[in-house]
Amino acid sequence: NAGVTQTPKFQVLKTGQSMTLQCAQDMNHEYMSWYRQDPGMGLRLIHYSVGAGITDQGEVPNGYNVSRSTTEDFPLRLLSAAPSQTSVYFCASSSDVRGLYEQYFGPGTRLTVT
Amino acid sequence: AQSVSQHNHHVILSEAASLELGCNYSYGGTVNLFWYVQYPGQHLQLLLKYFSGDPLVKGIKGFEAEFIKSKFSFNLRKPSVQWSDTAEYFCAVMSSGSARQLTFGSGTQLTVLP
Repeated sequence: NAGVTQTPKFQVLKTGQSMTLQCAQDMNHEYMSWYRQDPGMGLRLIHYSVGAGITDQGEVPNGYNVSRSTTEDFPLRLLSAAPSQTSVYFCASSSDVRGLYEQYFGPGTRLTVT
Repeated sequence: AQSVSQHNHHVILSEAASLELGCNYSYGGTVNLFWYVQYPGQHLQLLLKYFSGDPLVKGIKGFEAEFIKSKFSFNLRKPSVQWSDTAEYFCAVMSSGSARQLTFGSGTQLTVLP
């Protein structure tokens, strides 16, 4: 299994540009999440999904959209990039199997908005 | 809403010293507790987790943590650190009403001097 994969690894955007961060998992996990990591603030939840077709907002959803058309994929869209969105973005997936809820993280995407 | 506090932002130790990193959470109901580690340039990896039962849990690489319900704490310990333990450590909580999502603390940077 590849686990959780994310593309791209690095991205530089100009203010106002849009882009999609890709996330895929091959573990048939029903739960998927997007977090952003900023120095001194830990990881904060942006959006999450409890299954295909179902998404919900996390702690910091403004400026981001998500969709979940398949179990495997959970892309994160930046509608109009702002410097405040400069961060490292992590995708994670987890499963309810055996009630363990362990989250598996992808390698991250480092985004810089100028 | 649940929250997690990690009071030590940066800890510097010499090799073979003992480690204890503090983690306190605020949530009155049932919680699942986690410690994740992030080595330089890498994604988050699970160190250990607590779901129920014995409040002293053992994880990988010689780490352990003790859940003290009365103190809302889940401190991470290691009897003797190594240079390779240099990393950032995150405590996280998953509550029963959180749709399996994690709330992270702000992280503790551990530097182990050789």
